[in-house]
Amino acid sequence: GAVVSQHPSWVICKSGTSVKIECRSLDFQATTMFWYRQFPKQSLMLMATSNEGSKATYEQGVEKDKFLINHASLTLSTLTVTSAHPEDSSFYICSAKTGRHPEAFFGQGTRLTVV
Amino acid sequence: SQKIEQNSEALNIQEGKTATLTCNYTNYSPAYLQWYRQDPGRGPVFLLLIRENEKEKRKERLKVTFDTTLKQSLFHITASQPADSATYLCALEDDSWGKFQFGAGTQVVVTP
Repeated sequence: GAVVSQHPSWVICKSGTSVKIECRSLDFQATTMFWYRQFPKQSLMLMATSNEGSKATYEQGVEKDKFLINHASLTLSTLTVTSAHPEDSSFYICSAKTGRHPEAFFGQGTRLTVV
Repeated sequence: SQKIEQNSEALNIQEGKTATLTCNYTNYSPAYLQWYRQDPGRGPVFLLLIRENEKEKRKERLKVTFDTTLKQSLFHITASQPADSATYLCALEDDSWGKFQFGAGTQVVVTP
């Protein structure tokens, strides 16, 4: 089956620093990648949609200057949380779609803690 | 966009019984509906997809139904096992980009 690898699985950073999270599709080319945020006991909240080689489309209320998304190739998308604050602490998950299949394949998620 | 409702209360069920979860949506009927499983601290894992012209879909001990008149999908886990304990999410595709909207999920706890 299709595998999406997300790295790191957890990270602790100091307030004011930036953190980069990588999302790779290992055995398929992802035409579209999605980034989600999830708070405890809540559903996934879509942050942005990215297509290879073009700018990401952000959902309403998501600061594009704070959450930088780069989709440089068909197998790699990165999310950079800039000038992180404690309120950015959350579980971030990426997913990828092939375009041929309707289902999405998810990464393992990244637990970000900002101290 | 859709409003998707899933039972927020955890479903506690005894091993061997059938767990039934509900997913209701409010607006247009999607071309297909999907169910995912999520374990604590992990990303969701795709389980089943059912198309609007399908009434029922099965995969091993899992069964999904889709009623576009009621705007509802039911997800059944038959002969449940403790390893089935997880949160189950239903998802509808939101637009042509392939964006998903997820329900909040229902936690299932299977006790021996």
